[in-house]
Amino acid sequence: DAKTTQPTSMDCAEGRAANLPCNHSTISGNEYVYWYRQIHSQGPQYIIHGLKNNETNEMASLIITEDRKSSTLILPHATLRDTAVYYCIVRGQPVGKLTFGKGITLSVRP
Amino acid sequence: EAGVAQSPRYKIIEKRQSVAFWCNPISGHATLYWYQQILGQGPKLLIQFQNNGVVDDSQLPKDRFSAERLKGVDSTLKIQPAKLEDSAVYLCASRAPGQGYTEAFFGQGTRLTVV
Repeated sequence: DAKTTQPTSMDCAEGRAANLPCNHSTISGNEYVYWYRQIHSQGPQYIIHGLKNNETNEMASLIITEDRKSSTLILPHATLRDTAVYYCIVRGQPVGKLTFGKGITLSVRP
Repeated sequence: EAGVAQSPRYKIIEKRQSVAFWCNPISGHATLYWYQQILGQGPKLLIQFQNNGVVDDSQLPKDRFSAERLKGVDSTLKIQPAKLEDSAVYLCASRAPGQGYTEAFFGQGTRLTVV
């Protein structure tokens, strides 16, 4: 599975959009991009995934560049409850293990 | 829908003692995972089950860790004997069967402290 690179941390103001970047320059054609988040003292929670097209659900939007070497997770209106560690994961098979890196810590400030 | 249940939530043991963790996945979920998460790091897969068979246990320290999933439902993870470096949160996750992508649901984890 391709390796991902994320900044260590970032913050944003409550109510503003949070844009979380992820680099995956070695991604191959059949590999998907997944995002999970982990709120303090809880297990990871699925957010969204995509292959090449942009995706949106009730939690977030995922923007994948045309060359698929990077992506951005967008939380359109961040709240204090969005403070968490966000993991960007790239993998090929729809079933099987998820390989987590250290993720990016998002702090939403009042 | 009930989530993934894990117990206990917290456990403190002395080194060289044994400990066991229990996981009850979401009903109907054929795939079950055990992850280890050391403080400040992302979760690391220890073992993956498909029903009651092991799919991947390449990162399980088999000299001290063991896991089973009898009848393809509940699972237990055991450590014997424990070492200081085993202090971590142990997460259980399950996934529904399906041709396409199905998300993994995680429990709240068991926080193990080895002293």
